Amino acid sequence: AQKVTQAQTEISVVEKEDVTLDCVYETRDTTYYLFWYKQPPSGELVFLIRRNSFDEQNEISGRYSWNFQKSTSSFNFTITASQVVDSAVYFCALSPNTGNQFYFGTGTSLTVIP
Amino acid sequence: DGGITQSPKYLFRKEGQNVTLSCEQNLNHDAMYWYRQDPGQGLRLIYYSQIVNDFQKGDIAEGYSVSREKKESFPLTVTSAQKNPTAFYLCASRIFGLAGGQTEQFFGPGTRLTVL
Repeated sequence: AQKVTQAQTEISVVEKEDVTLDCVYETRDTTYYLFWYKQPPSGELVFLIRRNSFDEQNEISGRYSWNFQKSTSSFNFTITASQVVDSAVYFCALSPNTGNQFYFGTGTSLTVIP
Repeated sequence: DGGITQSPKYLFRKEGQNVTLSCEQNLNHDAMYWYRQDPGQGLRLIYYSQIVNDFQKGDIAEGYSVSREKKESFPLTVTSAQKNPTAFYLCASRIFGLAGGQTEQFFGPGTRLTVL
């Protein structure tokens, strides 16, 4: 079975604070891909990152960073020095290498307070 | 500009009516997807298509139908059999990677359907 859990439903932080969004996944596949998407109030999902199961290196892109740990089946997302424009719903997704389906978590709504 | 377009942005339907949501992409992507999003929930897969004239049911296909007559188009029909169709509908597409592996999906702006 494939499953993605984002236990944090809503998070509020004050601008400039760091915030980490948690993502825990379940899969029996040995090869799989993980993704993060941002959904601003406009509704369109914006792709942020793709990571395959064989690459456990952490990645940093500007204020964004991702921590992938296979041992705990987690793919957490950290925003450093948060800004009001970061306010959105963030989704984590899993796609096994076989088939064409993507499995999304229920999302974490982040509000950055000025 | 390349991208995915969905129309209309807002759609109102009376109970008992069928309605078709449009999804077009000019990215030359292979696969296309339809998702439904309800408040506080994640994206649930309705249908997906890997190739023209072929499509597969997702987790919540009942009450919906699709067609894929052209590579760039994947319309979704919400039929009167769908008991609770009010939701936000998102279309996505992706290209098949040449080296294999799952490539990311790109999403359209969505259609918000309200049944009156």
